[in-house]
Amino acid sequence: KNEVEQSPQNLTAQEGEFITINCSYSVGISALHWLQQHPGGGIVSLFMLSSGKKKHGRLIATINIQEKHSSLHITASHPRDSAVYICAVPIYGFLNEKLTFGTGTRLTIIP
Amino acid sequence: DVKVTQSSRYLVKRTGEKVFLECVQDMDHENMFWYRQDPGLGLRLIYFSYDVKMKEKGDIPEGYSVSREKKERFSLILESASTNQTSMYLCASSLRGGSARGTGELFFGEGSRLTVL
Repeated sequence: KNEVEQSPQNLTAQEGEFITINCSYSVGISALHWLQQHPGGGIVSLFMLSSGKKKHGRLIATINIQEKHSSLHITASHPRDSAVYICAVPIYGFLNEKLTFGTGTRLTIIP
Repeated sequence: DVKVTQSSRYLVKRTGEKVFLECVQDMDHENMFWYRQDPGLGLRLIYFSYDVKMKEKGDIPEGYSVSREKKERFSLILESASTNQTSMYLCASSLRGGSARGTGELFFGEGSRLTVL
């Protein structure tokens, strides 16, 4: 069983829709990462959060440590948001050197 | 901006060849990582290094070695490439112990797509 589960695996939505991607994990963590990967390979770090909520532009990430669950929301989605979104958690405790990654959610926004 | 640069975007090699993948970062990060990414399997850690000349095995180190002679450079070596090492290889860096300080953001290179024939 993967220690980090993401849902859905694939998501297609119309431009403008509100998007939610979920991440559940089974180990205690100090922080959780959300990453974005556009076609072509490059991965960009979106958020690192250990509690509550963070917002950057149209992206919002929330985490509930007790429930071991995090969500990534995109408001007013746009075709340029089409990418794979990956969550990752450190499973070896205090330092984040070793991360376990979810397999990603492929998001496609249709104009 | 932090920059992580991988030496080659695309490589095609033959079975048995020695392959070097190089990664350079310009932010004085202690941690550097090599991952491979395969469809359906996500990112898997091959090796990481938390300081010069220091290295630790990740989840799938077999068939790989690494070298970190300078802080900014982390090399991945395939001593004898095999077809099952055809994959996307991603290098990343971060500050050591950054998770608790809120500075543990990971910075990735653009990736190196290796095909072994």
